[in-house]
Amino acid sequence: EVQLLESGGNLVQPGGSLRLSCAASGFTFSSYGMTWVRQAPGKGLEWVSAIIGGGGGNTWYADSVKGRFTISRDNSKSTVYLEMNSLRADDTAVYYCARSARVMDVWGQGTSVTVSS
Amino acid sequence: DVVMTQSPLSLPVTLGQPASISCRSSQGLVYSDGNTFLNWFQQRPGQSPRRLIYKVSNRDSGVPDRFSGSGSGTNFTLKISRVEAEDVGVYYCMQGTHWPLTFGGGTKVEIK
Repeated sequence: EVQLLESGGNLVQPGGSLRLSCAASGFTFSSYGMTWVRQAPGKGLEWVSAIIGGGGGNTWYADSVKGRFTISRDNSKSTVYLEMNSLRADDTAVYYCARSARVMDVWGQGTSVTVSS
Repeated sequence: DVVMTQSPLSLPVTLGQPASISCRSSQGLVYSDGNTFLNWFQQRPGQSPRRLIYKVSNRDSGVPDRFSGSGSGTNFTLKISRVEAEDVGVYYCMQGTHWPLTFGGGTKVEIK
């Protein structure tokens, strides 16, 4: 069964850092691009970042996180990461990882990030 | 950025009746390989999003055939032929053709 399991969400102070992980199983991880999408409380879905290609050399970011967030992958662990720095209150959200970017066919259950003092 | 505009914002529907959600993009969504990356997602209350339709009109495995997607150019539609109680939730369109990827604002389907 294809599964994605996010972890790493937490309460963090403004200006702080956090690393999210998304562990994949049930498919050949290195063959797929991966993406992160977030959802602020009571709001809609917002695309955050994507990593295209198994080698991880092609990355994309929403303007709202560019320069602060870094996406990466470890194919040996079938895991994609989202390193988040300089966190702000408006980064508070549930963060989902999804398989593929253009078609997002499988989603995880999400991990919650709260940025507050 | 490609703006995805959904309507209506809220859609109260009687059980067994049809429902239709519109999604308009500010630019055409045909990719260089000929594919149109317009997808529809369902998010039931308290759950993660789930893809229903990909590339305009392809229904995902396990998705009831009462769901259908159509459209071209900049106008796309998700239709539910007969709404059931389990269809309650928020529906999002999303374009995967142009960077940055963008979602519509969502349409909340509820039972009258």
